[in-house]
Amino acid sequence: AQSVTQLDSHVSVSEGTPVLLRCNYSSSYSPSLFWYVQHPNKGLQLLLKYTSAATLVKGINGFEAEFKKSETSFHLTKPSAHMSDAAEYFCVVTMMDSSYKLIFGSGTRLLVRP
Amino acid sequence: DARVTQTPRHKVTEMGQEVTMRCQPILGHNTVFWYRQTMMQGLELLAYFRNRAPLDDSGMPKDRFSAEMPDATLATLKIQPSEPRDSAVYFCASSLRADTQYFGPGTRLTVL
Repeated sequence: AQSVTQLDSHVSVSEGTPVLLRCNYSSSYSPSLFWYVQHPNKGLQLLLKYTSAATLVKGINGFEAEFKKSETSFHLTKPSAHMSDAAEYFCVVTMMDSSYKLIFGSGTRLLVRP
Repeated sequence: DARVTQTPRHKVTEMGQEVTMRCQPILGHNTVFWYRQTMMQGLELLAYFRNRAPLDDSGMPKDRFSAEMPDATLATLKIQPSEPRDSAVYFCASSLRADTQYFGPGTRLTVL
């Protein structure tokens, strides 16, 4: 069965410093993995997705994630945090059946200090 | 810039009233999902459709919730009668093929 674990419920960084949001997955097959971002009172926006074409995936707003099969990880990074990055981030895996249902992590709230 | 749209964005109603939420998927997308988000439960899948046919509604309370797709451009989620515990944000998402779902802005429902 597929699952995702987001290792931190909250991450706090200073503006201009690097961001690391951690995600580990469990899947019997080569998974499709995503990061979504949700700003306060907004819907979920797709940041990036991994579908086995390349292990380093670049997304919007300067974010990227690296798929590491040996570590079953898909951590999200950004070199320099901006105040507008403050939001909740969800790591997501797709169920490997014909349903294409998404399995969401519990979310990581990113706080950016001025 | 194709987007999923949802109406209304906010709804306040009294217990026992009927609530209807609407979703317009991205044109050409053939799969529509309904989710509910609360602080306690996070994101829950309520139901989903493919090519307008309901494939799974096991996440919905059957006695009060119903979901339909009258046509390819409209999905509806109804609650009748509504209860305070239904207060949540309801999201619609659509996709064309496997896995990439695009979410709407949500309907924030408050049942008094």
